[in-house]
Amino acid sequence: KAGVTQTPRYLIKTRGQQVTLSCSPISGHRSVSWYQQTPGQGLQFLFEYFSETQRNKGNFPGRFSGRQFSNSRSEMNVSTLELGDSALYLCASSLGGALGANVLTFGAGSRLTVL
Amino acid sequence: AQSVTQLGSHVSVSEGALVLLRCNYSSSVPPYLFWYVQYPNQGLQLLLKYTSAATLVKGINGFEAEFKKSETSFHLTKPSAHMRDAAEYFCAVSDQAGGSYIPTFGRGTSLIVHP
Repeated sequence: KAGVTQTPRYLIKTRGQQVTLSCSPISGHRSVSWYQQTPGQGLQFLFEYFSETQRNKGNFPGRFSGRQFSNSRSEMNVSTLELGDSALYLCASSLGGALGANVLTFGAGSRLTVL
Repeated sequence: AQSVTQLGSHVSVSEGALVLLRCNYSSSVPPYLFWYVQYPNQGLQLLLKYTSAATLVKGINGFEAEFKKSETSFHLTKPSAHMRDAAEYFCAVSDQAGGSYIPTFGRGTSLIVHP
């Protein structure tokens, strides 16, 4: 079956602009999580959506937001971009039940460069 | 709060040598533990997971990990390294602390394999 698809794969923006990233989860997966990956901070959790509701949120400013649609596809938005937002943004999907053993399936990521 | 420490940001081995990547976790309750691997320009993929069924867990590509509660460790090993094992490896812990099953990732260990 198809994996997790993230678009776009690469993008370049300038400071102050905004960006929207898209994630299509594996069919049947109801949970979508977003992570920011940078060399300095590693993988940092942004937020998780389950059945169109934000279920968990990481410690990021309000410029970072997301949403999930009825078909489980998810988007994240970053407004007023800063240089420090340059990162690989990873989306992961899972079945999403309240199980600690949930395995995440990751997409290849969207690499954002802010100039 | 749960946390993960991966000792060594880089590990270098010769092809055919033993691979040992270290992971220590902090969790107030019995955890679920995972190892993920990230190849260049790709997302993370699951190598193996511990869910309390057995302390020695076998994963894909010949990797295995042993859960040691007394040492709060979950080190990843492989008897003989291959060039194709060169990648970034992430240890992650997930528990019910705080009511969330969002996994927390370590900073990652880059495995370098020399011919």
